[in-house]
Amino acid sequence: GAGVSQTPSNKVTEKGKYVELRCDPISGHTALYWYRQSLGQGPEFLIYFQGTGAADDSGLPNDRFFAVRPEGSVSTLKIQRTERGDSAVYLCASSLARDYEQYFGPGTRLTVT
Amino acid sequence: GQQLNQSPQSMFIQEGEDVSMNCTSSSIFNTWLWYKQDPGEGPVLLIALYKAGELTSNGRLTAQFGITRKDSFLNISASIPSDVGIYFCAGHNAGNMLTFGGGTRLMVKP
Repeated sequence: GAGVSQTPSNKVTEKGKYVELRCDPISGHTALYWYRQSLGQGPEFLIYFQGTGAADDSGLPNDRFFAVRPEGSVSTLKIQRTERGDSAVYLCASSLARDYEQYFGPGTRLTVT
Repeated sequence: GQQLNQSPQSMFIQEGEDVSMNCTSSSIFNTWLWYKQDPGEGPVLLIALYKAGELTSNGRLTAQFGITRKDSFLNISASIPSDVGIYFCAGHNAGNMLTFGGGTRLMVKP
């Protein structure tokens, strides 16, 4: 079956602009996670959804970052007033339910110039 | 920041060699996982360990969950070219998110 997909695969934007990154989880997976991976580092947790609600957003670095999952499936990570330090690969993962195995998408590489 | 220390950070392998890498933590985890990430891809789960002391194999890969629950190692036997990539350990406690190590980059000796 289809895995986790993320669009776009690459996004280049200017400092100060707004961006949206999309994640399509595996069908039937109720849990969805966003991670950020900087160059040469492991992924770092941003936010976790169980269904439509954000169950844990403790990893979001500041209030410029926001994510939604309105129908409990597709999720969008939104970054306002982007800064050069936001440049990273943003990974999405989904799992059947909380504490089950997480399957990762290929990521969106965000470059802020 | 990350709490898991992974070593070595990088290593060169020659085809046929055995490879070993490990991960240590300042805190206890109930589950240890090992992932491999290829360029442009997300991490793919290789092995999951659920019990302290557990030794689990997946083909040429063997991983162990340390008795203290603060460490784990991964061995790759008889390495082949497609083993090249970045290997991450991750710790997990129920109800919490994955915490990843910094990765071990495996490269082929020229």
